[in-house]
Amino acid sequence: EAQVTQNPRYLITVTGKKLTVTCSQNMNHEYMSWYRQDPGLGLRQIYYSMNVEVTDKGDVPEGYKVSRKEKRNFPLILESPSPNQTSLYFCASSPAGWGGGLAGETGELFFGEGSRLTVL
Amino acid sequence: AQRVTQPEKLLSVFKGAPVELKCNYSYSGSPELFWYVQYSRQRLQLLLRHISRESIKGFTADLNKGETSFHLKKPFAQEEDSAMYYCALSGRASGTYKYIFGTGTRLKVLA
Repeated sequence: EAQVTQNPRYLITVTGKKLTVTCSQNMNHEYMSWYRQDPGLGLRQIYYSMNVEVTDKGDVPEGYKVSRKEKRNFPLILESPSPNQTSLYFCASSPAGWGGGLAGETGELFFGEGSRLTVL
Repeated sequence: AQRVTQPEKLLSVFKGAPVELKCNYSYSGSPELFWYVQYSRQRLQLLLRHISRESIKGFTADLNKGETSFHLKKPFAQEEDSAMYYCALSGRASGTYKYIFGTGTRLKVLA
């Protein structure tokens, strides 16, 4: 089944304890991205990657790191989590790559199920 | 500033009534516009995109570049339409890959 998989789905941690949220897609998509969803603020993009070894900041990158060593994986790293990073996180992928993708493809995003993170 | 605005946090309508979820955007360039929907206990999924001009589950949305709007409409609401709806834009056509989402509108369809 074609999908985006995130782990863990739920995590409670303490301030300063490094954590990684994994994201994997099996659709051979070039584009992957991370979002956080907060009440009243909607979804905000954290980082995105247009292809392997190519990443860029979204609107709220502070306190986060990403890497794209393989096409299918795009982990989100919180080096020193703080309580203001308590949120619901979504990973998404898209077939549209740099240059507009293949004919007929759009920037449709395929989302994971979300990872609920609580930082105490 | 690049922005997507959904003015209504909550919209309640009765079954069979028309629905319009508003979306306005601010973007310098040619954005792609989307509507995503999140049903209870399900992941976010694409509902509509402006370039395909198709109707999904009875919903339509027309891009009005003059008013910079992309309102979502359905003539007769159904109870199963109750969900969270997000309007979003992508700058892909303009050469950037940022996605900007609105704050979302929760639609409740009452029996």
